[in-house]
Amino acid sequence: QKEVEQDPGPLSVPEGAIVSLNCTYSNSAFQYFMWYRQYSRKGPELLMYTYSSGNKEDGRFTAQVDKSSKYISLFIRDSQPSDSATYLCAMSVIDGAQKLVFGQGTRLTINP
Amino acid sequence: EAEVAQSPRYKITEKSQAVAFWCDPISGHATLYWYRQILGQGPELLVQFQDESVVDDSQLPKDRFSAERLKGVDSTLKIQPAELGDSAMYLCASSPTGPQQFFGPGTRLTVL
Repeated sequence: QKEVEQDPGPLSVPEGAIVSLNCTYSNSAFQYFMWYRQYSRKGPELLMYTYSSGNKEDGRFTAQVDKSSKYISLFIRDSQPSDSATYLCAMSVIDGAQKLVFGQGTRLTINP
Repeated sequence: EAEVAQSPRYKITEKSQAVAFWCDPISGHATLYWYRQILGQGPELLVQFQDESVVDDSQLPKDRFSAERLKGVDSTLKIQPAELGDSAMYLCASSPTGPQQFFGPGTRLTVL
């Protein structure tokens, strides 16, 4: 079993819809939780990161962490065609090395 | 805005040949990472540097892969000899203090 599980999709929704992306993990030592967006043939771009449990909002994006369930989510409101990309969750343990463990990525398409 | 630079962007080589990738991190970032991303999967850490020192190379196939960051700034990742299974995107990331990692555009390697 992988440390971080993420449904690879693909996920296709109409423009304006609310999108929910999720990851589960098995390592309770993870402390930092991140979401990256990756366009085709590009490097990952950091969208948001949270520390421990709770919510964090940035514009149309909201990240949620539930450490008790080992479950994290990214919500995208008023989705736009430009949001079409692969979304990667990533996590790290505070051990001085900050090694990131990534999920498989969810491929998202927003249809105009 | 400062970015991580990588070259080349694309590399096609034949198996058993040597290849090298170069990365220039964001100025002032002491930590540098090399990741490998196979198509349809999330990035996996190969090696991590803190300044010029290797912090973690546990997932680096040392029989064929080598990495260096001689002056603690830019870095080179080498594969010799390349194998068919090495075809992937090779990503470099850098980080200031803290958990955020900033990725370059990657080098897409195809081994024929």
